[in-house]
Amino acid sequence: QAVLTQPASLSASPGASASLTCTLRSGINVGTYRIYWYQQKPGSPPQYLLRYKSDSDKQQGSGVPSRFSGSKDASANAGILLISGLQSEDEADYYCMIWHSSASVFGTGTKVTVL
Amino acid sequence: QVQLVQSGSELKKPGASVKVSCKASGYTFTTYAMNWVRQAPGQGLEWMGWINTNTGNPTYAQGFTGRFVFSLDTSVSTAYLQISSLKAEDTAVYYCARGGYCGGGTCYSDAFHIWGQGTMVTVSS
Repeated sequence: QAVLTQPASLSASPGASASLTCTLRSGINVGTYRIYWYQQKPGSPPQYLLRYKSDSDKQQGSGVPSRFSGSKDASANAGILLISGLQSEDEADYYCMIWHSSASVFGTGTKVTVL
Repeated sequence: QVQLVQSGSELKKPGASVKVSCKASGYTFTTYAMNWVRQAPGQGLEWMGWINTNTGNPTYAQGFTGRFVFSLDTSVSTAYLQISSLKAEDTAVYYCARGGYCGGGTCYSDAFHIWGQGTMVTVSS
C-alpha cells in the first residue's frame, strides 16, 4: 500500500470547485504531518503550491493564487487541496508530499481535467 | 532571480554512466539542501534523496543506493547526480529541487520551492 494515495483523475467544469484528496496509509496520522502540494503541467517541472498542517501552520507558495487552499479531513486521514473557481489553466497533474521518517514521499498524483 | 539550471538531455547505452549537473544562482548555494527527483515517462514523482550543501553529506532513498551518487562543487554552486551501470529502467527525467534551509551543518525538511527544468536521460542500445 502506498504511503500517500491520490485519485488518479478528477474532472470538473470551469468555475467549479475541485477537492483533491491525499490519503495517508493506515498507521500514519495526518494530524502530525505538513502536507505539501505541487502542480505539474505537461513538459514542465513541478511547481510548489502550498503547505498545510493546520490553520496556524500553513504557507502559500510564492505567487500562488488564493483560490488554491489546503485543509485536512482527519476522519478520512487525508490532506485536501481545494481549487476554487477552476480555470482552464488549472488543468495539470497534482502531487501531494510529506516528510516521513526523514524521507520525502510523493503521492501517486491526480490528473485534473477542466471540461 | 533564484533558479536552478540543469544540463541537457543525454542518450546513453546500457552499462554506461551519466552525470547530470544542476547549477544554482540567485541565492547562497550552501544555505539550502538539494534534492533529486525522478520521473519515468508517464509516471509520477519519485524522491531519490538529498545532499547537505553545508557538509556534502548525501542521503539516498530506498532504491537509489549503490549506482547513484550525489556530489557538489560549491565553488561553482553546482550539484551533480551520477548514475552508473545504466539500465533501460533508468530512462526518466531527473529534476534537482531546492529543499530546506541548511545551517550549522543541519538541513531542515521543507517544501521544494525551486525546481530545475529537468534532464531527460534515455538509456537505449
